[in-house]
Amino acid sequence: EDKVVQSPLSLVVHEGDTVTLNCSYEVTNFRSLLWYKQEKKAPTFLFMLTSSGIEKKSGRLSSILDKKELFSILNITATQTGDSAIYLCAKFYSGGSNYKLTFGKGTLLTVNP
Amino acid sequence: DSGVTQTPKHLITATGQRVTLRCSPRSGDLSVYWYQQSLDQGLQFLIQYYNGEERAKGNILERFSAQQFPDLHSELNLSSLELGDSALYFCASSVGDGGANEQFFGPGTRLTVL
Repeated sequence: EDKVVQSPLSLVVHEGDTVTLNCSYEVTNFRSLLWYKQEKKAPTFLFMLTSSGIEKKSGRLSSILDKKELFSILNITATQTGDSAIYLCAKFYSGGSNYKLTFGKGTLLTVNP
Repeated sequence: DSGVTQTPKHLITATGQRVTLRCSPRSGDLSVYWYQQSLDQGLQFLIQYYNGEERAKGNILERFSAQQFPDLHSELNLSSLELGDSALYFCASSVGDGGANEQFFGPGTRLTVL
C-alpha cells in the first residue's frame, strides 16, 4: 500500500530538451499525488494532483495524473541547467484516521549546457 | 548534424518501468522511423509514421508503442521494460512515405535497464 515507484532513475539531457518523468503508485485510500524538486536542500513543492486527466501547469513544468492506470507524469520543456535536480513524487493517502505521505526514490535529472 | 534530434541522450531505469523517447524530425520531413540497436540483434526497424499515421510495422514488441503528433515529432513508449530492452534507440526521418526515401538518423537514445 505504500509503494511509489519513479522512473527513470536518472537521465541526462541538453539544455532545451523536453523530459518526462514517471511516477506510479499502488492505490489504497489514495488522496493525491505530489511532485517535488530537490536540489541541495529540502524539497520544494511543484504540484499536487487529485483529479485524473487534468493538467497542472507552472511555466515550463506540467503534470498530469491517471487514476485508472495509477501513474503520473511530470513534463519539463525547454530544460535549463537550473532544472538539474532530483524530482520526487509522493503519494498522499489516508490510513484510518491518519494521513501518510510516501515518497518514491526520485529521478535524478542532469541538464547539461 | 542530421537535423534530427532525440531526447534524452541517456536513460537508466529499472525492469518493469516505462520510458518515453522523443524524436523531432528534420524540418519538412513527414516520416519518422524508430530503430533499436543492441549488440546481439543489430539495428532493427520498429515502426514508421507518416504525417501522423502509422505506416509500417517491423519487429516492435507489444510492450512498445509509438505515435506521431500533429507537429510531426514522435514518441516511442517502452513499457514493462526488461533487461533485454537495453539498447540504442534511433529515430530517423525522411521527406516521403516509403523506405526509398533517404532517412536521416538522429544521435540516438541509449537506454539501460537495470
